[in-house]
Amino acid sequence: KAGVTQTPRYLIKTRGQQVTLSCSPISGHRSVSWYQQTPGQGLQFLFEYFSETQRNKGNFPGRFSGRQFSNSRSEMNVSTLELGDSALYLCASSPDRRLNSPLHFGNGTRLTVT
Amino acid sequence: AQTVTQSQPEMSVQEAETVTLSCTYDTSESDYYLFWYKQPPSRQMILVIRQEAYKQQNATENRFSVNFQKAAKSFSLKISDSQLGDAAMYFCAYRSVYAGNNRKLIWGLGTSLAVNP
Repeated sequence: KAGVTQTPRYLIKTRGQQVTLSCSPISGHRSVSWYQQTPGQGLQFLFEYFSETQRNKGNFPGRFSGRQFSNSRSEMNVSTLELGDSALYLCASSPDRRLNSPLHFGNGTRLTVT
Repeated sequence: AQTVTQSQPEMSVQEAETVTLSCTYDTSESDYYLFWYKQPPSRQMILVIRQEAYKQQNATENRFSVNFQKAAKSFSLKISDSQLGDAAMYFCAYRSVYAGNNRKLIWGLGTSLAVNP
């Protein structure tokens, strides 16, 4: 079974631009979560989608948005990029929303904003 | 709000030896889940082991085991017979069971483990 696939692996953007990151979950997984990872803040929760609906959102500005499609693939979008948005963005999937369901992560997208 | 603290930014161990990584957390909740994840240079976060707070028995997965001290709010990871492939960042994470709809994980800042041949 293929794992969680994130594309692209690396992105370089300039301030003010927008970016879209993609995540394909493990087949059959319906929940997709996104996390931002930086050296100083560690991993911070962005949002979770299940059945095409956003179920939770972390403490990030409205410039960060996402969506989920009917095949459970998810995208996240960051508009008006700032230098502080440089980070590793990790996507994770799980088959359902049970609390004991572990997250299965992708390899992440490394975003650099210059 | 819950917090997770990993007090050892870096650790090292000799191959075949045993190492223990520390994790403490702060919560007022009585039930929750705790996880250890490993992040090798490939960047993929991999689940190592999980513990349910209501279970007193410490979780074990092959060479990996935890020492869960609920009263002390401590959740340390022991790696036995360390292998070169164990070199990675290790993250401790907490998930509340009382957060309603929110399944998010709360993470420590990680411990970088080096394994010396």
